[in-house]
This record gives sequence, C-alpha cells and structure tokens, in this order.
Amino acid sequence: DAKTTQPPSMDCAEGRAANLPCNHSTISGNEYVYWYRQIHSQGPQYIIHGLKNNETNEMASLIITEDRKSSTLILPHATLRDTAVYYCIVEIQGAQKLVFGQGTRLTINP
Amino acid sequence: DGGITQSPKYLFRKEGQNVTLSCEQNLNHDAMYWYRQDPGQGLRLIYYSQIVNDFQKGDIAEGYSVSREKKESFPLTVTSAQKNPTAFYLCASRGTSGGYYNEQFFGPGTRLTVL
Repeated sequence: DAKTTQPPSMDCAEGRAANLPCNHSTISGNEYVYWYRQIHSQGPQYIIHGLKNNETNEMASLIITEDRKSSTLILPHATLRDTAVYYCIVEIQGAQKLVFGQGTRLTINP
Repeated sequence: DGGITQSPKYLFRKEGQNVTLSCEQNLNHDAMYWYRQDPGQGLRLIYYSQIVNDFQKGDIAEGYSVSREKKESFPLTVTSAQKNPTAFYLCASRGTSGGYYNEQFFGPGTRLTVL
C-alpha cells in the first residue's frame, strides 16, 4: 500500500507556480520522498527526491516540512507540457520497489 | 543516446496465447523491473532483477515469467495463466552510486490487448 496521500486532481494556470502537496505522516527516519510524473501513455519520469532538506533541480523544487510528515513539489513556471499525473513516493534509498499510489492529476490551463 | 526501449508499443493477442514483451537498456544498469498499470491506477511490480541470471517476484507475479540472460535485456512473458492480461506494461532500470540504487528510469511502455 502507498504510504502517501495526495489530492486526486489540481489545476494551475500556465506560467504560474504549481504547488503539489503530499502527506506522509508515517514516514520513517531513513525514508526518502521521491517524486515522479507520468504524461499520458508514457513511462513515468523521475523529477526529484529528498530526505529532510529542501532540494532544487532544473525541473522542480521539493520542500519538506521540519517534521517530515508532508512535502510540496513546486513547478516554478508551469507550462502546458507539465500536464501529467504526479506521484509522491516514500521509500528507503535504493528500495527494491517503488509503491505508486494514484497520484495527483495536474492540469495546466492556458 | 542512452535509454530504455520497449517493443512493440501496441500488441494484440488472442486469449490463450503466450506473448513476450521486449525490454532493452544501454545504460549499463544492473537492476531492471517490470510493472503493470491498469487504467486510472498506479504501477504494480511484477518482477525485478538485480543481476544477470537472477530475478525475484514482485507483488503480482502470477501468470508472468521473466529471464535475465544479459545485463541489457529483461524480457517479460505473459502466459495464458494470467487471467486479466490486458494492461499497460512498463519496464524500468536503475544504476547505483555510492553503494545505493539511484532513481528508476522507465521505458515508453507496451500496451497489450488480449482479444
């Protein structure tokens, strides 16, 4: 079973920041937060991951609360190509399998 | 370019026939995975392999078989014993750094329809 809770859907205007929340209240000390996204009928794409510090890369930023019970993925300037299902996953680093929940369907509107 | 290829993209088979899905990677990754995705659902792990000539069952291995004779290849056979084989099948691989596995890279998927 997935260890995370995400809203089933969200909308965001093109050019604005998209903030996707994820709750993981039972996260353990050695578990990381991973984010992947899946554009329709394609394979999932890795976005970012973190343990407790905030992380940023060329695709997104990951903000993890101090108690690590929730996090937010931020797409700073959303484009139409960011429309996808976004999965938040909690696993120890290098876990054999990733448990994908149902994710958040993000729609970017022009 | 390095990556993972799956073929074919669409596959149709008659009920009762076995079918083999191809997955090839040129990323030099040790670990490879097969997932199944049903409409509106997340991914479920079928089989995985951490090294050549070795593989383990995932959560839904019944009705499927795999082999790992080469590092680059991890074919999946959907047998006639699989009760609901129609689905989107995704292959993934991952490498290591500092002794830990990195993120998974996914192929484009094969959509199997059993008639």
